[in-house]
Amino acid sequence: QVQLQESGPGLVKPSQTLSLSCTVSGDSISSDDSYWTWIRQPAGKGLEWIGRIYTSGRTKYNPSLKSRATISVDTSKNQFSLRLSSVTAADTAVYYCARDRINMVGGVIHPSLDVWGQGTTVTVSS
Amino acid sequence: QMTQSPSSVSASVGDRVTISCRASQDIATWLAWYQQRPGKAPKLLIYAASILQSGVPSRFSGSGSGTDFTLTISSLQPEDFATFYCQQSIIFPWTFGQGTRVEIK
Repeated sequence: QVQLQESGPGLVKPSQTLSLSCTVSGDSISSDDSYWTWIRQPAGKGLEWIGRIYTSGRTKYNPSLKSRATISVDTSKNQFSLRLSSVTAADTAVYYCARDRINMVGGVIHPSLDVWGQGTTVTVSS
Repeated sequence: QMTQSPSSVSASVGDRVTISCRASQDIATWLAWYQQRPGKAPKLLIYAASILQSGVPSRFSGSGSGTDFTLTISSLQPEDFATFYCQQSIIFPWTFGQGTRVEIK
């Protein structure tokens, strides 16, 4: 059974860098049929896709974050991580890591976020 | 941009519930549906617009292509009261609808 678990500080000061890790069990982060993704959700609001990474290190980010986000992978620990710089109160949210599975449907790739971590709450406050 | 309707719906156990999702441009069938119970992570229900994720009850179904999509719950069960999100996965950044809350009538 594949499981993802987020970890990191629950409180970050404004202007500092938020750092979170996601430990994957039951699957290899080096597998060629998955991307590894970060998503966040402010309290009472909807879901925002932050970005994703492939085992090769190839990344994609949400432009709304204005280049503040960096996602990296550590294959030796079977983990991937998120760093978000220059945080403000607007970055306060529950942060989820998820597996973005590559599904082949009629020879066409259809991604889906099929496994999620339980989420970790990060508050930005002095 | 993904737009869901309605924003909330009140229904009773056993009811048929339909949730709509509209994309601002053609996304073919690159659409997934998720269920989120309060305080929990979202759970994948359907991908590729109509393919049921393994382990998801058959009362859930998805349809549509292009810009208009539908999630149907054929007979609402007590555990189905939650918020449902659609999500497109063809254009970066991936984007979600604003959510539809299914409440107990």
